[in-house]
Amino acid sequence: AAGVIQSPRHLIKEKRETATLKCYPIPRHDTVYWYQQGPGQDPQFLISFYEKMQSDKGSIPDRFSAQQFSDYHSELNMSSLELGDSALYFCASSSGSSGTEAFFGQGTRLTVV
Amino acid sequence: QKEVEQNSGPLSVPEGAIASLNCTYSDRGSQSFFWYRQYSGKSPELIMSIYSNGDKEDGRFTAQLNKASQYVSLLIRDSQPSDSATYLCAVNIDTGRRALTFGSGTRLQVQP
Repeated sequence: AAGVIQSPRHLIKEKRETATLKCYPIPRHDTVYWYQQGPGQDPQFLISFYEKMQSDKGSIPDRFSAQQFSDYHSELNMSSLELGDSALYFCASSSGSSGTEAFFGQGTRLTVV
Repeated sequence: QKEVEQNSGPLSVPEGAIASLNCTYSDRGSQSFFWYRQYSGKSPELIMSIYSNGDKEDGRFTAQLNKASQYVSLLIRDSQPSDSATYLCAVNIDTGRRALTFGSGTRLQVQP
């Protein structure tokens, strides 16, 4: 079965640079979530989209923005990168009403140097 | 107080034993509860979902939900070394809010 696809898997950027992470949800899933997970920490919710509209906003810094496109894929844009942004970034997708199961992609490991 | 609380562990059990993982949540209106397993450096993998009070069994896994006590647990029977991972409890906190809120996870170690 098709899963959530994230790209790239690994990314190295310098401070103050910009990064774009991509997420392709499971086919027919209409909701995409972005999570950030630092070393030894639990996933922190950043932002989510339902039917191409922002549905929830978590602890996403103002330097970050995201959107969901007509084909339901989503991109997380990160600007003015800081060392503290180094983390695993997960995308998850789900379908249907609130509270349904969410499935995670393999994640993008971002390292800011 | 965190919205979803778990004991960080590590919880160490011998191979073949029952591992019991616990989670409490603060929002009495929560409706959906999930257990994810995460190996180091990998993504969370959904292993159980539960929506109503009582027990739900799937193979070696049993999820238990008690909404009155705001408590959800995961039992792993016949624990195997391959079960060694961090187990994340996730709750859909507010009705209508889609995103899950995660606990900080419990690290399980199954000793051969």
